[in-house]
Amino acid sequence: ILNVEQSPQSLHVQEGDSTNFTCSFPSSNFYALHWYRWETAKSPEALFVMTLNGDEKKKGRISATLNTKEGYSYLYIKGSQPEDSATYLCAFPYNNNDMRFGAGTRLTVKP
Amino acid sequence: EAQVTQNPRYLITVTGKKLTVTCSQNMNHEYMSWYRQDPGLGLRQIYYSMNVEVTDKGDVPEGYKVSRKEKRNFPLILESPSPNQTSLYFCASSLEGFTEAFFGQGTRLTVV
Repeated sequence: ILNVEQSPQSLHVQEGDSTNFTCSFPSSNFYALHWYRWETAKSPEALFVMTLNGDEKKKGRISATLNTKEGYSYLYIKGSQPEDSATYLCAFPYNNNDMRFGAGTRLTVKP
Repeated sequence: EAQVTQNPRYLITVTGKKLTVTCSQNMNHEYMSWYRQDPGLGLRQIYYSMNVEVTDKGDVPEGYKVSRKEKRNFPLILESPSPNQTSLYFCASSLEGFTEAFFGQGTRLTVV
């Protein structure tokens, strides 16, 4: 059974705080690791697709790192804003086709 | 505008009454897939398709059927819906299986 695990399950921070969460995935047969942002009542949208060990990606205040050898990725948000409130999903394509999602980290940023 | 379109957005139906949820993409993507989302479980893949006439089971295929007769369309069929199929469903497409996925707006299905 392939598990993609995310922690924490939920997180409440104050506006301006920096935060990070974790995605762990099987370290064998690695193709890619995806991060998605899912706002309430909307569809998930891709943040990053990471393919190389040691990869670091950045989009504005959000960045992600990847360690394929130990099977984890971190997502960082610097100076959280209320509009960052969302569920952050990571996903791992097993065998290049069968996409497995973690249960997500639900972030709430209080003004 | 590049998009994935699902219909309907909301559906309430009765046990055993066949239904189809449509999904269409305009990005010429090879890969399409269906997911269901239940509280605390994240997105679980139902079926996926790597190209026309090529489909395969995902994590939770029981009770569902799909077809891929054209590249742009990937309908999800519930031949005899049951209450345990009450869920939020998403269709997604991508260039290949491991590339960025584009999601439809979601279909909230209730089976009573």
